[in-house]
Amino acid sequence: GAVVSQHPSWVICKSGTSVKIECRSLDFQATTMFWYRQFPKQSLMLMATSNEGSKATYEQGVEKDKFLINHASLTLSTLTVTSAHPEDSSFYICSARDGGASYNEQFFGPGTRLTVL
Amino acid sequence: AQSVTQLGSHVSVSEGALVLLRCNYSSSVPPYLFWYVQYPNQGLQLLLKYTTGATLVKGINGFEAEFKKSETSFHLTKPSAHMSDAAEYFCAVRPSRSGNTPLVFGKGTRLSVIA
Repeated sequence: GAVVSQHPSWVICKSGTSVKIECRSLDFQATTMFWYRQFPKQSLMLMATSNEGSKATYEQGVEKDKFLINHASLTLSTLTVTSAHPEDSSFYICSARDGGASYNEQFFGPGTRLTVL
Repeated sequence: AQSVTQLGSHVSVSEGALVLLRCNYSSSVPPYLFWYVQYPNQGLQLLLKYTTGATLVKGINGFEAEFKKSETSFHLTKPSAHMSDAAEYFCAVRPSRSGNTPLVFGKGTRLSVIA
């Protein structure tokens, strides 16, 4: 099946720094990728929808200037957490839509654990 | 708005017993339905999905689920629980056939298996 990777798998940073998380579709082209955030023992909450070559669509309550999303190619989307603070610590998961699949199946990456000190 | 309700945030079963995890959804159109499993500090693994056709769907690791439109349910079952089934389970719905529609997740059910 289709594979989605995320890098890094975990990252620890100091408060005030920026962190970039990559989401790659390894064997298919993904015109659409989704970014989710998961707090401990909670469900996944959609942050934004990323379309290749255009601006991301953010969910209500998600700060677009804080969570910068770039989808510059059909296989790569990046999420940059700018000026990170401890409350940004979370598990970030991306998914990518395989437009060639029979029902546009979405595949999930393994997630990135962000800890902000 | 579309929503997914998972009844029971925590379910505990004995090893070898039946596993039943409940999921109800609201959707104004025929949905795509999914069950995912998540082990600690890992991403989501697709267990099974319903798109069209047969309403009883078989997935990996012996799990299956039945789409019941009249009950707007998609409950997950496994005849005999194994210790390795202990994990968090998420039911999700994609309320549109459009591939640009993100999944809506339930709050999850933590399954514990007692030896």
